[in-house]
Amino acid sequence: DAKTTQPNSMESNEEEPVHLPCNHSTISGTDYIHWYRQLPSQGPEYVIHGLTSNVNNRMASLAIAEDRKSSTLILHRATLRDAAVYYCILRALISSGSARQLTFGSGTQLTVLP
Amino acid sequence: DVKVTQSSRYLVKRTGEKVFLECVQDMDHENMFWYRQDPGLGLRLIYFSYDVKMKEKGDIPEGYSVSREKKERFSLILESASTNQTSMYLCASRARDRIPSTDTQYFGPGTRLTVL
Repeated sequence: DAKTTQPNSMESNEEEPVHLPCNHSTISGTDYIHWYRQLPSQGPEYVIHGLTSNVNNRMASLAIAEDRKSSTLILHRATLRDAAVYYCILRALISSGSARQLTFGSGTQLTVLP
Repeated sequence: DVKVTQSSRYLVKRTGEKVFLECVQDMDHENMFWYRQDPGLGLRLIYFSYDVKMKEKGDIPEGYSVSREKKERFSLILESASTNQTSMYLCASRARDRIPSTDTQYFGPGTRLTVL
């Protein structure tokens, strides 16, 4: 899976929107963009994924640049419970063997201030 | 609600002990995974299983073995625990391979193992 680059940390105020960026300049045309997050002392949990078009679900929105070299996870109103490490992961169209695993980078530690 | 459970949240063992970490999922998933997570190293795959009694080595299988006798249960075994196996262990499951690029892995809460 191709590499992603995220800021180490970000801060947000409670009830304000948060935009978490991810750069993936070596993305291939068939790579999907996945986001997971890991709350303190918990296992990672799926947030959202997309290919080309922007995506919305009950947790977040995913905005994908037109050239697909970057994407942004948007939390519309951050709450204290959104404080977590957010991981941006690329998944190849065809994966086999060990590639079935998810490859997590270091992610972005989001701090939400009350 | 989908569920992956792990037998213990915290475990303390002594060097040389045999350690069993259990993982159970209730989603009828074919694929199950064991990762360990260490600061600065991210998640690393130890073993995975794509069916009952089937297993494949991940990136760091040394010092570990696994067992999958039933579809819902995947066990990680440390044959002789060592201090460098002190870590957070995470189990995950996923449905049978469709298009892997759209899959979702479901993780358990993790077991923090300390080997003294």
